[in-house]
Amino acid sequence: QVTLKESGPGILQPSQTLSLTCTFSGFSLSTYGMGVGWIRQPSGKGLEWLANIWWDDDKSYNPSLKNRLTISQDTSNNQAFLKITYVDTADTATYYCTRTDRYNYGYVMDAWGQGASVSVSS
Amino acid sequence: DVQMTQSPYNLAASPGESVSINCKASKSISKYLAWYQQKPGKANKLLIYDGSTLQSGIPSRFSGSRSGTDFTLTIRSLEPEDFGLYYCQQHNEYPFTFGSGTKLEIK
Repeated sequence: QVTLKESGPGILQPSQTLSLTCTFSGFSLSTYGMGVGWIRQPSGKGLEWLANIWWDDDKSYNPSLKNRLTISQDTSNNQAFLKITYVDTADTATYYCTRTDRYNYGYVMDAWGQGASVSVSS
Repeated sequence: DVQMTQSPYNLAASPGESVSINCKASKSISKYLAWYQQKPGKANKLLIYDGSTLQSGIPSRFSGSRSGTDFTLTIRSLEPEDFGLYYCQQHNEYPFTFGSGTKLEIK
């Protein structure tokens, strides 16, 4: 059974760096084709893909935020991380961690975490 | 970026009815369109990928179709647990983009 769980600071101030952790189980990020990604959703709004990291440590970013995003992984501990620098109120959202099994399903998110709520406020 | 135009925004139906949700891509994405269900307190669920391939464990009352850059999610014989939010996503190219969502409500 694949599970993913996000964790983050909950609240942070403008201009700070947001650090999110995804702890997953039921698969290995070192398996060919596997990827872990991040998607966010402001309250009452739609979904925005942010970034993915792949089994070969390749990384993909949404160009709209690319300069502010850093995705990384700790394969041995089954974790993936996302950092967003210089946050502002527009970054207030629920952040989801997702799995992508590129080999079997293509670039879709076949498993999601429950989401971590992040609020940026002064 | 590929823009995904999803309609309708809201949809009301009764259990047992059939409904359709549409998604139009701003350019060709071949068959690479996925559908997700979102419900409060539950993890988002992948329903269909590659336009019409049913994800494992998803009931066969869900189906997807494609005509060019137009995609449709059809749910036959609605069950009470089908009500919620539905999103389409193109998985043809970076950055992956989503439709704005359709809220399926009980009439």
